[in-house]
Amino acid sequence: EAGVVQSPRYKIIEKKQPVAFWCNPISGHNTLYWYLQNLGQGPELLIRYENEEAVDDSQLPKDRFSAERLKGVDSTLKIQPAELGDSAVYLCASSLDRPLSAGELFFGEGSRLTVL
Amino acid sequence: KNQVEQSPQSLIILEGKNCTLQCNYTVSPFSNLRWYKQDTGRGPVSLTIMTFSENTKSNGRYTATLDADTKQSSLHITASQLSDSASYICVVSAPDTPLVFGKGTRLSVIA
Repeated sequence: EAGVVQSPRYKIIEKKQPVAFWCNPISGHNTLYWYLQNLGQGPELLIRYENEEAVDDSQLPKDRFSAERLKGVDSTLKIQPAELGDSAVYLCASSLDRPLSAGELFFGEGSRLTVL
Repeated sequence: KNQVEQSPQSLIILEGKNCTLQCNYTVSPFSNLRWYKQDTGRGPVSLTIMTFSENTKSNGRYTATLDADTKQSSLHITASQLSDSASYICVVSAPDTPLVFGKGTRLSVIA
């Protein structure tokens, strides 16, 4: 069974440029998460989807970050414009269950962003 | 505020030795606690889950313990191997709230 697929794995851009990350969750997983992970830190939730609906986006900096999950499968996370402080790893994860936090999360390998 | 604190921040051990990683949490109420292993450049992978009623659970050379009264968990690694080098992240869940992640312990196993 294929795991969570993310692309690109690495992205280097100049500040003020836009960037987009794509995530394909495990087939059948209705819950999808985007996390931000800085070096030496644990993942921090940006947004959580239940099917197509964003049910928790309280930590998403909406002035420059946006996300979508059309048709409740693939998801895209966009940053526009990027700032130096956005350099981090963006992790996508998916899970099967409905409850907010009981299930196991399956993570992709992450997209490492470097903003120059 | 729900928090998860892990110690030590980093650890270096010789191959074949044992080690124990600690996780203290303030999350309440409590649903479960998971230990994840994150290899460099990869996403975290779940090692074990502990529920309120469980005290000890093993997964190969990994043994997790939970004391729900003191809100402490540990992950013991026996006969460490070079492939155990990774970050180990403690994650606590509570009903109707986002998962709470620790910052992780960076383990380096050297020959």
